[in-house]
Amino acid sequence: EPEVTQTPSHQVTQMGQEVILRCVPISNHLYFYWYRQILGQKVEFLVSFYNNEISEKSEIFDDQFSVERPDGSNFTLKIRSTKLEDSAMYFCASSEPTFVGQGYSSPLHFGNGTRLTVT
Amino acid sequence: DAKTTQPNSMESNEEEPVHLPCNHSTISGTDYIHWYRQLPSQGPEYVIHGLTSNVNNRMASLAIAEDRKSSTLILHRATLRDAAVYYCILTRDDKIIFGKGTRLHILP
Repeated sequence: EPEVTQTPSHQVTQMGQEVILRCVPISNHLYFYWYRQILGQKVEFLVSFYNNEISEKSEIFDDQFSVERPDGSNFTLKIRSTKLEDSAMYFCASSEPTFVGQGYSSPLHFGNGTRLTVT
Repeated sequence: DAKTTQPNSMESNEEEPVHLPCNHSTISGTDYIHWYRQLPSQGPEYVIHGLTSNVNNRMASLAIAEDRKSSTLILHRATLRDAAVYYCILTRDDKIIFGKGTRLHILP
């Protein structure tokens, strides 16, 4: 079964440095997402991306963050000037949208995440 | 997004069925009911979703109340691998918002 892959599995960086987290979504999917999960807390939505632009973002996704789909396969999350509180698991997801009537039902497929540790 | 209410935790014995409840009294007509789970040290995993009718797949069954104000995820025969946090989520667009979910413990 096709899957979403994320690299690296663990990234350690110093406060103030820039990091890029990489994801390879499932090949025929059209919607892409980033979520994060701080240790012991719930999974939080960061951003969704469709047709080469951000379709929605949360309050967490401020100017420190950016996303890009640099080629036909990769989807990246860049965090500029990392802070201690950015330490978390970052999950990438993708989906193939199916619109049924007025609703939306396509499931999201998640990768196993990148653990970011900011020291 | 409409709110869901789930028990914080549940226990079940291995090889027995598990019924995970979810209340969503403010559900709207276009909200789909999605269930995801998160196994330890893994990303969330899609389980099942539905709109009005009960649904079955290889992982589980979803029973939706006639008024759609509640639903139940049914694991027909729990294994130790089913120990996870289970999330009941309502969505009418492409965004999945996770709550705290139900932590399911499976007793051997």
